Amino acid sequence: DVKVTQSSRYLVKRTGEKVFLECVQDMDHENMFWYRQDPGLGLRLIYFSYDVKMKEKGDIPEGYSVSREKKERFSLILESASTNQTSMYLCASSPPDRPYGYTFGSGTRLTVV
Amino acid sequence: KNQVEQSPQSLIILEGKNCTLQCNYTVSPFSNLRWYKQDTGRGPVSLTIMTFSENTKSNGRYTATLDADTKQSSLHITASQLSDSASYICVVSGTWGGSQGNLIFGKGTKLSVKP
Repeated sequence: DVKVTQSSRYLVKRTGEKVFLECVQDMDHENMFWYRQDPGLGLRLIYFSYDVKMKEKGDIPEGYSVSREKKERFSLILESASTNQTSMYLCASSPPDRPYGYTFGSGTRLTVV
Repeated sequence: KNQVEQSPQSLIILEGKNCTLQCNYTVSPFSNLRWYKQDTGRGPVSLTIMTFSENTKSNGRYTATLDADTKQSSLHITASQLSDSASYICVVSGTWGGSQGNLIFGKGTKLSVKP
């Protein structure tokens, strides 16, 4: 089974801190994604990457950046955390053009105080 | 505009009863439709995936249907169990841009199964 592992289940950070959310997948997938999920808004795509060192903006990239130095690892960076970035963050990975392989991680609940 | 609408927003049923969740979409051109189950505080887990040519797919007590002409899908849960309490998310994929961020998510139906 594909495993997508997010390093933390819960995180509490202070406003202005730099925050790193890590995601690792073990199936050699080319594509990786970061979403945030908020009540009433559903999942929204922040960034995705289709190859090492490649990244594309999703629907809500403002306030975020990403890093993909290795194929298995996709990091989401909050340069200066703000309270409106309190959310559930979900990572996903997939092989290209194969919907059956699309797999989510367990999520990181980030609270910014 | 590509959209996915789910109904109802929330649903409460008694253990052992059946229920049906609805998903209507306007995504075009259509590639596939997926149903996910998301337990509270966890990531979504895939239940079914259907392409244009498939109109029914089952996964245990979960049966999804797809009518590509009317752009509607339903998820039927048979003999519900307490562990079915979760949010169910309908996700539609278009054919543009390969698999790179072309998923359109519904907002989900929150199902509560009571003893």
